[in-house]
Amino acid sequence: ETGVTQSPTHLIKTRGQQVTLRCSSQSGHNTVSWYQQALGQGPQFIFQYYREEENGRGNFPPRFSGLQFPNYSSELNVNALELDDSALYLCASSLLNQRGPRLGVQYFGAGTRLSVL
Amino acid sequence: DQQVKQNSPSLSVQEGRISILNCDYTNSMFDYFLWYKKYPAEGPTFLISISSIKDKNEDGRFTVFLNKSAKHLSLHIVPSQPGDSAVYFCAASPNSGGSNYKLTFGKGTLLTVNP
Repeated sequence: ETGVTQSPTHLIKTRGQQVTLRCSSQSGHNTVSWYQQALGQGPQFIFQYYREEENGRGNFPPRFSGLQFPNYSSELNVNALELDDSALYLCASSLLNQRGPRLGVQYFGAGTRLSVL
Repeated sequence: DQQVKQNSPSLSVQEGRISILNCDYTNSMFDYFLWYKKYPAEGPTFLISISSIKDKNEDGRFTVFLNKSAKHLSLHIVPSQPGDSAVYFCAASPNSGGSNYKLTFGKGTLLTVNP
């Protein structure tokens, strides 16, 4: 069983640019969530995708957008980058409506470290 | 407004002793709670969870206690091992079993287990 993989691991951009981060879900999972983790903070929910549709969104502006593909891989796109967007971006996959002891558990990738200069 | 609070940024314990990590929450809609462990350069790894219909859940050396009236949960690790040294995140979710699995995280507690 393959885990959640994210690419790239590190990225440097300048203010105003656009960035695309990629995630490959754990096999068998149909839901992907994206989180932003700023330095010294816990992960903060950006949005979740299920069956290629957005299935919930946190307090992030529209310049944060996403895609989920039929093979359940996913992208996070951020337009008009700002300095405050510098953070670790985490992707997490899960199986929606899973029952039993793993209910609600999300499985995380190692993240993409984005630096905006 | 922090809905999930981990008020201890760090905790240091001796190998073999008990580690107790605490978490408080303010949102009454939260009814499912999880603990994650994070090593440097890795993603958070699921440890243990608890539903609001329970007050205790055990898995090996890890036990989570939930006090709903106090909106407080704690993670006990017994005995603590040096490999447990990591950042521990408390997370909460509303509507367990529903379609919205948004997790709200605390800021984390850095646990150091000294040999």
